Parts: sequence; C-alpha cells; structure tokens
Amino acid sequence: DIVMTQSPDSLAVSLGERATINCKSSQSVLYSSDNKNYLAWYQQKPGQPPKLLINWASIRESGVPDRFSGSGSGTDFTLTISSLQAEDVAVYYCQQYYGVPQTFGQGTKVEI
Amino acid sequence: QLQLQESGPGLVKPSETLSLTCTLSGGSISGNIYYWGCVRQPPGKGLEWIGSIDSSGNTYYSPTLKSRVTISVDASRNQFSLKLSSVTAADTAVYYCARLTITGTSRGYFDSWGQGTLVTVSS
Repeated sequence: DIVMTQSPDSLAVSLGERATINCKSSQSVLYSSDNKNYLAWYQQKPGQPPKLLINWASIRESGVPDRFSGSGSGTDFTLTISSLQAEDVAVYYCQQYYGVPQTFGQGTKVEI
Repeated sequence: QLQLQESGPGLVKPSETLSLTCTLSGGSISGNIYYWGCVRQPPGKGLEWIGSIDSSGNTYYSPTLKSRVTISVDASRNQFSLKLSSVTAADTAVYYCARLTITGTSRGYFDSWGQGTLVTVSS
C-alpha cells in the first residue's frame, strides 16, 4: 500500500495568516503516461463528511474559494490556505488514487 | 444535486454482520464514469476506504477487509449496499457512502459524500 504521511498533525494559525499542510507519499503518485499527480485534498469540519477541495494535486473543485491551493509533484505535496478564515477550521486529509488500495493521510487539524 | 443517504442499524453485536444501504437522490447510479463506494472513520480517527462498485456490479475491495466485505448494487432502486461480516469492536465507526470519479480500475477521488452513520459494535 502507498502510505500517505501528513505534517504537521495540527497547527494553529491566526486569522488572515497562511496555513501550510504537507503530504508525503511512500512512492510517487505521478503517472508518467499522462503526467498527472493522482492526489486529492479534502476538508472535514466537525460532525460533517469530508468535502473534496482539490484533485489532480492542484485543480480546485467548483465553488472552492481561491484561497485554497494545492501544489507539488511526485511524492511531496502541499495544501495552502493563503488567508485563514474562521470557517476553515477543520481537519484536512490528502488521498492518493494512484495505487490500489487508494489511501488517505492521517489528517491535519487546523485551528485558530 | 446528488445526495447520498446511509441507512442501517446503529448497533450490531460482535460476530454478526453489519449492513448498510446507500440511497441516491438527484442522480442515477447507472452510467460508467463513477464508482459507488464506502469509507469508514473510527471515532476520532482517519478515513479508510472499504470498497467500491460500478453500475455493472464489478466490485473492488480493500485487501485488509476483502474477506469480510460484500458490496452490491440495485440499479432499479438507485441503491447500493455494504455487508461486513464477523464484526468486532474495531469495526465501530462512522460509515460513509460516497461517489468516486473513476481515474483507474478500482480507483478514484471521492467527489460526493453522504452524511455518514455511526455503527457501534457492542453486545
């Protein structure tokens, strides 16, 4: 299985400041035939299901604010919240869909 | 807008079978660009993919759960169902139904989720 490791496990950021979450995969999730990174990011607020924010490592889902951005390639990825808002308090997960089974990171809790 | 709704018992006894039904509204389970899957989340912990099915009934299961999992589809009712046998306390979790956009055989990203249902395994 591809192991996804996120860092840090939690972080506290002031309102309006930048939050950066890292995700590292145990093997590359870049598929050479289409040059795409098979990686997604999700946001889970308390008592709610996860919500897809980003797929293909950097493509925002429709309706996701542009303060959320994804970057990286191969084995190292980053989710950045450029200016943290109160409603961004949540746990964030990365997921690889390159290998079988698809696997998630352990989650990063973002607080204010 | 697609909605997924989980239904099933909230309490299951050890060694018995957990059953969960996922009902779609606002969309059809038929078609070949999506899988329909189940993900679970133990209290206070992370997410684990259990398995997926396509509209033709082809199934894909997590290797760690494969011996105990069955997922089936009923297109006429716009539903799919999960059965997990021989449950223990370790199977206590919130169980989610989800839609996956297919990116490869058995793989995809989860673009729509149900609200989830807590299933507790206890005697």
